[in-house]
Amino acid sequence: AQSVTQLGSHVSVSEGALVLLRCNYSSSVPPYLFWYVQYPNQGLQLLLKYTSAATLVKGINGFEAEFKKSETSFHLTKPSAHMSDAAEYFCAVSDRASGTYKYIFGTGTRLKVLA
Amino acid sequence: DAGVTQSPTHLIKTRGQQVTLRCSPKSGHDTVSWYQQALGQGPQFIFQYYEEEERQRGNFPDRFSGHQFPNYSSELNVNALLLGDSALYLCASSSGRGTANQPQHFGDGTRLSIL
Repeated sequence: AQSVTQLGSHVSVSEGALVLLRCNYSSSVPPYLFWYVQYPNQGLQLLLKYTSAATLVKGINGFEAEFKKSETSFHLTKPSAHMSDAAEYFCAVSDRASGTYKYIFGTGTRLKVLA
Repeated sequence: DAGVTQSPTHLIKTRGQQVTLRCSPKSGHDTVSWYQQALGQGPQFIFQYYEEEERQRGNFPDRFSGHQFPNYSSELNVNALLLGDSALYLCASSSGRGTANQPQHFGDGTRLSIL
């Protein structure tokens, strides 16, 4: 069965510092992978997606993620954190091999940006 | 271009009651998925509707049921409410027959509180 692990339920960075949020998946076949952001009292907004094209995926708000098959990882990065990046981030996988349509989400990482 | 809209935004019910939540998909989308997000957790897949049929279901009891209308809007019904049903309920829509690589677009959710 597919699963997603997000290491670190809380991450704090200083404004202007590198943001690194970790996501590992388990699958015998590379899945489709997504990163979403959730601001307080809001739904989820798509940041970026990997669907087997380029392994380095660029998203909105300066975020990007790199798909590494050998490490079964899809970590999210941003070179310079901004105060407005403070939110909860979710990694999700969509099962590609079985053709199922549901997303399996990680437990989320809450990002705090320090002034 | 209207995104995914959900109603109501907040709802308070007591144990044993029944509730109906509503969702209008993003324009051009034909597939609707429902997720339950408990406090501090990632969203959990409830079910997905396409062409007015339930196409896939997650690990939720039969107390959770749904419907999709010809205009692609959808309802989520929960019977015999339990305290554990308190959560944010998210609706997501997608296009292209909801295939695995199509990103799902989320509404802001309905916050359901059970007393």
